[in-house]
Amino acid sequence: EAGVTQFPSHSVIEKGQTVTLRCDPISGHDNLYWYRRVMGKEIKFLLHFVKESKQDESGMPNNRFLAERTGGTYSTLKVQPAELEDSGVYFCASSQVSSGSSEQFFGPGTRLTVL
Amino acid sequence: AQSVTQLDSQVPVFEEAPVELRCNYSSSVSVYLFWYVQYPNQGLQLLLKYLSGSTLVKGINGFEAEFNKSQTSFHLRKPSVHISDTAEYFCAVSYSGGYQKVTFGIGTKLQVIP
Repeated sequence: EAGVTQFPSHSVIEKGQTVTLRCDPISGHDNLYWYRRVMGKEIKFLLHFVKESKQDESGMPNNRFLAERTGGTYSTLKVQPAELEDSGVYFCASSQVSSGSSEQFFGPGTRLTVL
Repeated sequence: AQSVTQLDSQVPVFEEAPVELRCNYSSSVSVYLFWYVQYPNQGLQLLLKYLSGSTLVKGINGFEAEFNKSQTSFHLRKPSVHISDTAEYFCAVSYSGGYQKVTFGIGTKLQVIP
């Protein structure tokens, strides 16, 4: 069974440009999460989808970030316009259920560099 | 709100030596505790988790962790490390009463020296 996949693995863009990150969760997982790790800091929660609905987007930094999950399958995270402080590794995770005890399965991450 | 403190950013250890990676947490509510590992160029993988019951939890690859409620700690241990254990390790918590928003520590890089 395929794990969580993310595309691209790396992205280098200039300040002011737009970037779209994609996450494909494990098939059948209704719950999808986005996290971000800025260099030298903790991995921080961004948002949580249940199917196509946003369950919690309390971690989204600002309105330059837009996450979608049309159809409840893959998800995209768009940053527009990108700023220098958006650089970091963006992780996606998925789980079958949303209880605190269930395991989240993580993708390898997308490393975003904003110059 | 929860927070997780990993006191050691890097831990060098010789191969076949024991290792302990420290984790302390703070929470006003009951939590579940996790250790994740990230090998180079890979995603995070669950090592072990504490939900309830026995405070000593055994995970994959010979790792174990002990939950200490009075000290709010969840230290990770392995009696004999291998080169392949070189990775970054993350302690994490989630709220046990509701849905699964995970709070991570800053990570500890374990470097196993041959």
